[in-house]
Amino acid sequence: GAGVSQSPSNKVTEKGKDVELRCDPISGHTALYWYRQSLGQGLEFLIYFQGNSAPDKSGLPSDRFSAERTGGSVSTLTIQRTQQEDSAVYLCASAVYGGGEDGYTFGSGTRLTVV
Amino acid sequence: AQRVTQPEKLLSVFKGAPVELKCNYSYSGSPELFWYVQYSRQRLQLLLRHISRESIKGFTADLNKGETSFHLKKPFAQEEDSAMYYCALSGTKSGGYNKLIFGAGTRLAVHP
Repeated sequence: GAGVSQSPSNKVTEKGKDVELRCDPISGHTALYWYRQSLGQGLEFLIYFQGNSAPDKSGLPSDRFSAERTGGSVSTLTIQRTQQEDSAVYLCASAVYGGGEDGYTFGSGTRLTVV
Repeated sequence: AQRVTQPEKLLSVFKGAPVELKCNYSYSGSPELFWYVQYSRQRLQLLLRHISRESIKGFTADLNKGETSFHLKKPFAQEEDSAMYYCALSGTKSGGYNKLIFGAGTRLAVHP
């Protein structure tokens, strides 16, 4: 596609439920990143995928968070047993290998609200 | 440790006034620095990167390694510059990729 697509755009869930967030990167971009944007906290790195390499999971805040990328394209971020502090905007970005001169291209994000 | 600090949460100026959004970083190697901007109801987008040394929408940023700063400047602010601005650092290449580390962001409000 022309840009990075994320779905759903908004998600309201009850505390304790599991949620799945989806990201469709730009075709041909081998790098895919997940960030969390919280008010006053900036962008917090969560996880990174690059080609067939093992993902960099160093930013995942707890074992309730996991992500996978199938076929080197679509990625799903899963949050199990959601907590209120998980409420944030989850951003996905993709990039040409190594970032390139254009940096990252971000999606419009998924706003997650845990009630 | 790699860190990006944006000391101002909010910067409020009048149209036509000069603007400087501060960014300081902590990094032991040779960093790549970026500014990203997010306008209201739009997605985050790259504004400029220090390697290209460009002026985008009248904004410039100079990397000062001595002061470990990458402040964003514009001589005459416009109302359409009102947005959230994030400074970002690209860390050490490991396995051929760079992970961007973002600051907390500065909201720029330009008043008429």
